[in-house]
Amino acid sequence: SQQGEEDPQALSIQEGENATMNCSYKTSINNLQWYRQNSGRGLVHLILIRSNEREKHSGRLRVTLDTSKKSSSLLITASRAADTASYFCATGDTGRRALTFGSGTRLQVQP
Amino acid sequence: DTAVSQTPKYLVTQMGNDKSIKCEQNLGHDTMYWYKQDSKKFLKIMFSYNNKELIINETVPNRFSPKSPDKAHLNLHINSLELGDSAVYFCASSQAGGSETQYFGPGTRLLVL
Repeated sequence: SQQGEEDPQALSIQEGENATMNCSYKTSINNLQWYRQNSGRGLVHLILIRSNEREKHSGRLRVTLDTSKKSSSLLITASRAADTASYFCATGDTGRRALTFGSGTRLQVQP
Repeated sequence: DTAVSQTPKYLVTQMGNDKSIKCEQNLGHDTMYWYKQDSKKFLKIMFSYNNKELIINETVPNRFSPKSPDKAHLNLHINSLELGDSAVYFCASSQAGGSETQYFGPGTRLLVL
């Protein structure tokens, strides 16, 4: 069964604006990760947040995790046209031997 | 010096044919995976190998058979291809299984006619 559900499914913003995408999951997790997929390419790991962390930053990326609500958000600040891609959350579930990926958010950044 | 590579990048074939996709990683990782991404971009795990041992075998038709000759290689053989097998297949690797960060190959775009 699909673990992560992402919201929104698609997002279109102007360059310079912030983009926020959300991920909800169902089970207990060890960590939650975000990946980016450019069109026609493989997934690239962006950031990992552990279950005992609430917030993490990496460059223009900010990730939050609320384990009580089983949800996470990814904020991309000052977006650029090059940020146009699909973004996936993935959970490392306790007891499972692989990541479970969400359905993805397609982000379009207009120049 | 590509970390995870797959061949071929594109594969167009007729229904009923048998085909193979190859994957190699030079990261020294112990675990490798095959995923299927459908037209709606949903990514579903198919198989996982740890050091040549099958760890995950999801509900996949037995027409699909993975083979890991060594821990740096994981190939996927598909028998009797069907229209519904058309998708993008991704190979990935991680240092260990479970919750580890995964590194993906560029994908193989399979089109069954």
